[in-house]
Amino acid sequence: GAGVSQTPSNKVTEKGKYVELRCDPISGHTALYWYRQSLGQGPEFLIYFQGTGAADDSGLPNDRFFAVRPEGSVSTLKIQRTERGDSAVYLCASSLNRQETQYFGPGTRLLVL
Amino acid sequence: GQNIDQPTEMTATEGAIVQINCTYQTSGFNGLFWYQQHAGEAPTFLSYNVLDGLEEKGRFSSFLSRSKGYSYLLLKELQMKDSASYLCAVRDRRDNFNKFYFGSGTKLNVKP
Repeated sequence: GAGVSQTPSNKVTEKGKYVELRCDPISGHTALYWYRQSLGQGPEFLIYFQGTGAADDSGLPNDRFFAVRPEGSVSTLKIQRTERGDSAVYLCASSLNRQETQYFGPGTRLLVL
Repeated sequence: GQNIDQPTEMTATEGAIVQINCTYQTSGFNGLFWYQQHAGEAPTFLSYNVLDGLEEKGRFSSFLSRSKGYSYLLLKELQMKDSASYLCAVRDRRDNFNKFYFGSGTKLNVKP
């Protein structure tokens, strides 16, 4: 079936605005992860969902960041009052369960001006 | 997080063999993964080791020594398309949950 998809592929916004980034995991994958990747760095863990619940959100940098997965499939990462430092590629990954290999989506490139 | 170290950049010649090393420190080791990432694209899964030893997959092999906190990715018969970043990732199990920690990646340049 289809892989992980993310929308939008690119997002340009102004400092202080609100943005939502969407992730559609592979069908049937119960585990979903959000990462943030800056240029020249590896992905940095943000939050992990098992089903509908956030099993670990310890990677979220501050309370401007929030993510939901209301029906256990699609997830949305929400960033309030964006700052220039939030500019990065936001990657989503899913796995069959928490023990399995993660498969990544193409990412959303966020640029905060 | 965990300390995951890998070289920043390497250069090798088409047709040759290259070894990319990764060292890590973790208290709840539960597997080591290698991903390939071409510029501007998502990481793609290459290999997985949880037990000591060598795992071979075509031109790619990955080795793990848990006692040394060490892994390497071996690429044989290098092709130009192998030019990419190679990410080492450690899965750490805590509180019945697996968390992944990624290294900064090794940028491999394959030259003709």
